[in-house]
Amino acid sequence: KNEVEQSPQNLTAQEGEFITINCSYSVGISALHWLQQHPGGGIVSLFMLSSGKKKHGRLIATINIQEKHSSLHITASHPRDSAVYICAVRRGTGNQFYFGTGTSLTVIP
Amino acid sequence: GAGVSQSPSNKVTEKGKDVELRCDPISGHTALYWYRQRLGQGLEFLIYFQGNSAPDKSGLPSDRFSAERTGESVSTLTIQRTQQEDSAVYLCASSSGPMGEQFFGPGTRLTVL
Repeated sequence: KNEVEQSPQNLTAQEGEFITINCSYSVGISALHWLQQHPGGGIVSLFMLSSGKKKHGRLIATINIQEKHSSLHITASHPRDSAVYICAVRRGTGNQFYFGTGTSLTVIP
Repeated sequence: GAGVSQSPSNKVTEKGKDVELRCDPISGHTALYWYRQRLGQGLEFLIYFQGNSAPDKSGLPSDRFSAERTGESVSTLTIQRTQQEDSAVYLCASSSGPMGEQFFGPGTRLTVL
């Protein structure tokens, strides 16, 4: 069983649609990260959360510690948002990171 | 430099050879991570350095893997007696501290023939 589960695995959306990607985890954590990996392979950190909600431009990330669940929302999606979105958690004890297998998003013009 | 750099960008080696991968973190970043990403799979944590503390090696898959870091600067990941299953992209990331945002390097693509 993976410590981090993401859904959906693949997502295709029309430009302008509101998108939600979900992440559930099974271990105690000190922080949760959302990462974006573009087709060329480069990885960019989008958010780091330990509680509540963060917003950056059209991206919003929320976390519910009690339910061990986080969501990444993209408003007014655009083709340039097409990428793989990865959820990662840092264990509450130690420095081990666990990664989800990613959600591959394709936004069609 | 402006970002995390890694070298080489690509490395092809023969089974059984040793390889050394290099990571230059962002200046001033005390935390450094190594990850592995096999083709079509998710990222795997390998090792974590924080300042002058003992590294967290809990993610290293075997004793053929080792890593060093000199102070808060360059890190090298060494794989001895490479096997075909070691083929992957090896990524390095650095952050300003243990709870800081991570900045990723472009990765080294290792192919073991």
